[in-house]
Amino acid sequence: DTAVSQTPKYLVTQMGNDKSIKCEQNLGHDTMYWYKQDSKKFLKIMFSYNNKELIINETVPNRFSPKSPDKAHLNLHINSLELGDSAVYFCASSLSYRGDEKLFFGSGTQLSVL
Amino acid sequence: GESVGLHLPTLSVQEGDNSIINCAYSNSASDYFIWYKQESGKGPQFIIDIRSNMDKRQGQRVTVLLNKTVKHLSLQIAATQPGDSAVYFCAENVQGAQKLVFGQGTRLTINP
Repeated sequence: DTAVSQTPKYLVTQMGNDKSIKCEQNLGHDTMYWYKQDSKKFLKIMFSYNNKELIINETVPNRFSPKSPDKAHLNLHINSLELGDSAVYFCASSLSYRGDEKLFFGSGTQLSVL
Repeated sequence: GESVGLHLPTLSVQEGDNSIINCAYSNSASDYFIWYKQESGKGPQFIIDIRSNMDKRQGQRVTVLLNKTVKHLSLQIAATQPGDSAVYFCAENVQGAQKLVFGQGTRLTINP
């Protein structure tokens, strides 16, 4: 059983389109995250949610809208996609939102905006 | 400000040798540190972590050393194997920040 699973694995789309990435964790964790990894492999936090409540919004453009229907799911919707949105997006989860404990990552969604 | 950096972006070692990957951090309020391994096409995988009240922690073939005086963190991998080839990230949590901040990563390659 995959602990943190995200879909799709690959997403290729045109500029201006709207797309969603889904994430689910079966670890019973309270906190979920979205991280963005750029072409230089730099990993940066975008959002964190704890039990459906937004904890961190790391000055991400409001074209990015996370949604957490329950604590096991955190989806990411992106409006009006831009070339600069091309990256690998990772979902992750942790026991709590304290920040001083390990994250479990999904396998990533490679988004290519053409 | 918060930042986590690496001394070497790439590291090449002979199979069987020990590898040492270094990381510098700047915030003295950082209280938790962690190392991840990322293989091509996969998500980061947890290797080992350490809290600021410790100097050293050992796992299976890996050791993390924390020097708070000079704000330096290192990951030692013993008897490096081909399967250790990956990008390695250090990350830190600044007390109260509720998030892990990642460094840029070091690519470790193993020569046969």
